Amino acid sequence: DGGITQSPKYLFRKEGQNVTLSCEQNLNHDAMYWYRQDPGQGLRLIYYSQIVNDFQKGDIAEGYSVSREKKESFPLTVTSAQKNPTAFYLCASRDTGLNSPLHFGNGTRLTVT
Amino acid sequence: GENVEQHPSTLSVQEGDSAVIKCTYSDSASNYFPWYKQELGKRPQLIIDIRSNVGEKKDQRIAVTLNKTAKHFSLHITETQPEDSAVYFCAAIRRSGGYQKVTFGIGTKLQVIP
Repeated sequence: DGGITQSPKYLFRKEGQNVTLSCEQNLNHDAMYWYRQDPGQGLRLIYYSQIVNDFQKGDIAEGYSVSREKKESFPLTVTSAQKNPTAFYLCASRDTGLNSPLHFGNGTRLTVT
Repeated sequence: GENVEQHPSTLSVQEGDSAVIKCTYSDSASNYFPWYKQELGKRPQLIIDIRSNVGEKKDQRIAVTLNKTAKHFSLHITETQPEDSAVYFCAAIRRSGGYQKVTFGIGTKLQVIP
């Protein structure tokens, strides 16, 4: 969706370095989500936030951190503690009202060597 | 928490045949079930959704059915075409209130053979 921007599209880092993935939305959605996608693994939830200054761990939060200082922004930091950081990362947002789907960004492919 | 199981993980059909993908969910508080299509290297895109007060919904060649009692919902694609080849994900979202964790199935890779 044009309303969610992830940058950069491709990101390369050396092992041991922290890296921050950007996610910005102009849809005025309250909730934002980060998913990790590996081949054959589907979409696994890392963190999500339903309101500014509040966020919850998903299923695979270890080695990741987030912040939600502004409604439109939900950056994800992949720390050196994440054992297998190479993956495709998808950010999404949605209205927290009834029956609202997720809207996804185009994703960031992170490669750590 | 919610658990969504999806099967099959891969599905090959001849062009023109139908394809069916099935999902089950565990949280009775889930009341909204979207389906997403993801083409290679792209983001997932919503293709159809269903609310818990509806048993079936159709949109051209795509339909979704929901059985609340069995906590089961399915995606049906008729007259499949090569451009239907993609990975399809089901999801379950609980009703508003509380933390709204969105849980996805593992995905089904659909291949339509011309």
